[in-house]
Amino acid sequence: GIQVEQSPPDLILQEGANSTLRCNFSDSVNNLQWFHQNPWGQLINLFYIPSGTKQNGRLSATTVATERYSLLYISSSQTTDSGVYFCALEDSGAGSYQLTFGKGTKLSVIP
Amino acid sequence: EAQVTQNPRYLITVTGKKLTVTCSQNMNHEYMSWYRQDPGLGLRQIYYSMNVEVTDKGDVPEGYKVSRKEKRNFPLILESPSPNQTSLYFCASSATVTVYPYNEQFFGPGTRLTVL
Repeated sequence: GIQVEQSPPDLILQEGANSTLRCNFSDSVNNLQWFHQNPWGQLINLFYIPSGTKQNGRLSATTVATERYSLLYISSSQTTDSGVYFCALEDSGAGSYQLTFGKGTKLSVIP
Repeated sequence: EAQVTQNPRYLITVTGKKLTVTCSQNMNHEYMSWYRQDPGLGLRQIYYSMNVEVTDKGDVPEGYKVSRKEKRNFPLILESPSPNQTSLYFCASSATVTVYPYNEQFFGPGTRLTVL
């Protein structure tokens, strides 16, 4: 199956700092999504981005499908950004629409 | 509001006592699925459904059953729960799989299950 690697595994930021989270994947994908899992366990959709660039407020994401990576940018971080960020992919060859999740990046934003 | 709902959100039960976790979506989505999340193992798919009356196994189906009698509902059934099914469960749905490849998945709020 498709392999997904996220880096870094852990990240501690001072409030107001910027960060870049990376997701590398091993095969072509039909779907790539970024999620934020908040401290209460809820998975919040951030971006649906199988290719290209999108922005939503302080967050933006870029996927370069030909080079098999995606980046999530967080600018001017806030304590509410804390949690785990997951990259999830759908293998284009699988046919089941199953999302394969990376292990996540745990972000802690301190005041 | 477009959403996926799950009930209950929290459940503590005992080994062997049958339970059902409900999942409902109001987006007219064809595709629905169940995942479980465990520390160190991440999120893994249990079952999925491409449409009404069409279900199939994911990566970890043992000990679970599902049904899809209506498009909006996809309940997860644990006929005889065991402690190794203690986990955080998520239901997800996405738009018609015929609109390829626009298949963004939306997740419910999660059900935290403890089996004693």
